[in-house]
Amino acid sequence: TQLLEQSPQFLSIQEGENLTVYCNSSSVFSSLQWYRQEPGEGPVLLVTVVTGGEVKKLKRLTFQFGDARKDSSLHITAAQPGDTGLYLCAGAKGGSQGNLIFGKGTKLSVKP
Amino acid sequence: NAGVTQTPKFQVLKTGQSMTLQCAQDMNHEYMSWYRQDPGMGLRLIHYSVGAGITDQGEVPNGYNVSRSTTEDFPLRLLSAAPSQTSVYFCASSYSSARPGELFFGEGSRLTVL
Repeated sequence: TQLLEQSPQFLSIQEGENLTVYCNSSSVFSSLQWYRQEPGEGPVLLVTVVTGGEVKKLKRLTFQFGDARKDSSLHITAAQPGDTGLYLCAGAKGGSQGNLIFGKGTKLSVKP
Repeated sequence: NAGVTQTPKFQVLKTGQSMTLQCAQDMNHEYMSWYRQDPGMGLRLIHYSVGAGITDQGEVPNGYNVSRSTTEDFPLRLLSAAPSQTSVYFCASSYSSARPGELFFGEGSRLTVL
C-alpha cells in the first residue's frame, strides 16, 4: 500500500513564527500537490511540484520537492492567523486519478 | 464561475435508506471523482471518471454507485446506507490527465447515518 506520511499531525504556534511541514513516502511520484483546507470547506490547491529538487514560492510559503521525488516540505515564514487550516499533500503516480493518494494532513493553528 | 457544486450540504439517513449526492461542474473538466474524508483517515477515493460514460473504482468503492452520463454531472449513490458511511463527501474535478493531482473540490456534503 502506498502511503504519504505527513508530520507533524498538529502544530500550534504564535503569529510571526516560522514552521515546516513534511510529507514523506517510500514511493516515487510524478507530481506532488499541496492543499489547504479550512473548516467546512473543500481543499484548495496551493501548488504542484513536478521536478526533483524543485522549489516554488507562494508569498510566505515555500514548497520543495525532494531530489528523489519521494518527499516534500512546506515552509511558512512569519505565520499569520490566516494561515490556520489543514494542510494536505497528495502524490500522483502517472496520469491516472486512480493512483492519486493523500496524506492525512497537518492541522495548523496560528494564534494572534 | 460556480466551479464544483455539491448538494445537499447536510443529510441525515436511517440505516438501509438510499440516497444520491449530486455533483456538477461548469469548467468542462473531463475528470471527476468522489472522496470521503474521515477523522484520522484522510481523503480516500471512492470512484472516479475520466470522461462521460467511463467510471472506475477507487480505494473504497463498496456500497456506492456512480454514473457519468454527461461531462458536467457525476452523482454518487448510496445503495443501502450504513453507519460506517457517516462521513464528509467531496466531489472533485480536474482538467488535465497530465496533472491528475490538480483537483478542484466542492464544499462537501456531510452525511450522518443513524
